[in-house]
Amino acid sequence: NAGVTQTPKFRVLKTGQSMTLLCAQDMNHEYMYWYRQDPGMGLRLIHYSVGEGTTAKGEVPDGYNVSRLKKQNFLLGLESAAPSQTSVYFCASSYAEEQFFGPGTRLTVL
Amino acid sequence: GEDVEQSLFLSVREGDSSVINCTYTDSSSTYLYWYKQEPGAGLQLLTYIFSNMDMKQDQRLTVLLNKKDKHLSLRIADTQTGDSAIYFCADGSQGNLIFGKGTKLSVKP
Repeated sequence: NAGVTQTPKFRVLKTGQSMTLLCAQDMNHEYMYWYRQDPGMGLRLIHYSVGEGTTAKGEVPDGYNVSRLKKQNFLLGLESAAPSQTSVYFCASSYAEEQFFGPGTRLTVL
Repeated sequence: GEDVEQSLFLSVREGDSSVINCTYTDSSSTYLYWYKQEPGAGLQLLTYIFSNMDMKQDQRLTVLLNKKDKHLSLRIADTQTGDSAIYFCADGSQGNLIFGKGTKLSVKP
């Protein structure tokens, strides 16, 4: 099993550009999450999903959209990137108490 | 909202014990977690404790929970250089996880 994978690993965007981050899991988990990690801020939940076709807002959802069209995939979209969205983005999935994390995507917005 | 607090840094010598502390505010917390993050990597679950337990031991790791004071600690016995990482405390009571800012553990040879 690959576990939780994220694509891409690194990306540099210019202000105003758009992009989609892909998260995939092969563990048949119902729950999936997107977090951002900033220095001195820990991890903050952006959006999450409790099953295929469902999404919900987390702590810091503004400027992001998500979709869960297939159970194994959770997409995070930035429609118009801003420098404040420079961060490391982590995806996670879970079926019970433990969340399994992907390796992260480092995004820089210039 | 609910909050989780941790000290940001801890430095120990190899072979010593490390104790990382965490406080949380949600009195209805059910599960409390410790995650480890090595440089450039994602988070890895180390252990978790259910709120009706006071202590959980797993090899070199000991978790202590004081519900009255809403205090959680992680003790690493015989700390090794490979234990150098950032350790996150997380509260799972809200359905999702609320993370502390992380404690960076540095282990000196």
